[in-house]
Amino acid sequence: QLQLQESGPGLVKPSETLSLTCTVSGASISSSNSYWGWIRQPPGKGLEWIGSIYYSGSTYYNPSLKSRVTISVDTSKNQFSLKLSSVTAADTAVYYCARHRPPAYSSGWDYWGQGTLVTVSS
Amino acid sequence: QSALTQPPSASGSPGQSVIISCSGTSSDVGGYKSVSWFQQHPGKAPRLMIYDVSKRPSGVPDRFSGSKSGNTASLTVSGLQAEDEADYYCSSYAGSNNLVFGGGTKLTVL
Repeated sequence: QLQLQESGPGLVKPSETLSLTCTVSGASISSSNSYWGWIRQPPGKGLEWIGSIYYSGSTYYNPSLKSRVTISVDTSKNQFSLKLSSVTAADTAVYYCARHRPPAYSSGWDYWGQGTLVTVSS
Repeated sequence: QSALTQPPSASGSPGQSVIISCSGTSSDVGGYKSVSWFQQHPGKAPRLMIYDVSKRPSGVPDRFSGSKSGNTASLTVSGLQAEDEADYYCSSYAGSNNLVFGGGTKLTVL
């Protein structure tokens, strides 16, 4: 059974970089039938796609966040990571990692992590 | 402001059917077959209910169905049950490697 687990600091200071890691178990992150991504949800609000990555390293980012986002994959650890720079209070949210099958433009995220709350505050 | 428009709320009595709409444009919902629906209970991660407009993942009851007409996608929940009370989100490919979500609909089972 495929499982995803987010990890990282729950509190980040304004202007700093938010860093999260998603550990995948039950499947290889190098599988050709999976794309991996990050989706966030501010408290009491809706979902927002942040970006996606394929094991080959191909990345796809939300245009509104692209200048601040980097998603990378570490196949040796079966993990992928999110970095979001220059954070503000508006970046406070529950951050989910998730998976979808090809093609790259699919919106069918079928496996999700439990989510981790990241608060931006001094 | 979300890219896709959903009604903030919907409701129905047990056993009834309810339809939740998701309005977009020809650049997202209307232009691609990659429309999905997610169910989210409070404090939980979203669950995929429908993908590719009308396909159901394994384990999703056939009471849930999806469709699309023009720039509007719809999720129909038939035979409403108490456990269907949740937030529902639509999502669509929007071209240029971009994915967008709707603002969500809170479904209440009366």
